Amino acid sequence: ELKVEQNPLFLSMQEGKNYTIYCNYSTTSDRLYWYRQDPGKSLESLFVLLSNGAVKQEGRLMASLDTKARLSTLHITAAVHDLSATYFCAVDPTSGSARQLTFGSGTQLTVLP
Amino acid sequence: DTGVSQNPRHKITKRGQNVTFRCDPISEHNRLYWYRQTLGQGPEFLTYFQNEAQLEKSRLLSDRFSAERPKGSFSTLEIQRTEQGDSAMYLCASSLGSRIPRINEQYFGPGTRLTVT
Repeated sequence: ELKVEQNPLFLSMQEGKNYTIYCNYSTTSDRLYWYRQDPGKSLESLFVLLSNGAVKQEGRLMASLDTKARLSTLHITAAVHDLSATYFCAVDPTSGSARQLTFGSGTQLTVLP
Repeated sequence: DTGVSQNPRHKITKRGQNVTFRCDPISEHNRLYWYRQTLGQGPEFLTYFQNEAQLEKSRLLSDRFSAERPKGSFSTLEIQRTEQGDSAMYLCASSLGSRIPRINEQYFGPGTRLTVT
């Protein structure tokens, strides 16, 4: 059974600081997704990482994938309040097509002024 | 709005009643997924359709749950004889099945929050 573990589960950080969220998974996969969820809202797609060494950046967020280590990271640079949300990584263990996703438990990020 | 839509957004029901939720995917997407999300957890996969065919079902989908996607467009998820443990957010997602991985990205609807009293 595929397991996806995120840490930390809760993260409180000051504006302007940097931090990294980690996502470990237990089976072979070359496809990993990061989503953002605001309270009471649905999931918004942030990044799709499709191969070993993939790196994607958008604004203050940068995601990377190391398939050999079965590890993805989401790095936050110079955090701002608007980044406060819950971030999920999700793994698609099925090669060739995206079917069911297995999600981590999420990292609840709070950016303090 | 051309995103995934779900109705109703909220449903409160008494234990033992049946409920039905509807999902309208993005119009050109041929894949449709149902997930369940409880407080503080990530979404858990329930079932998946490609066009009108239900191709995968999770072990979480007990006999009280049934999903349909007639004509390969909208989908319904029915829960019979609801239990308090069914209280959760039910999320629908759709994707455009393709060999191009990016296009398989799943887009989520706003969800239906079910409360069983």
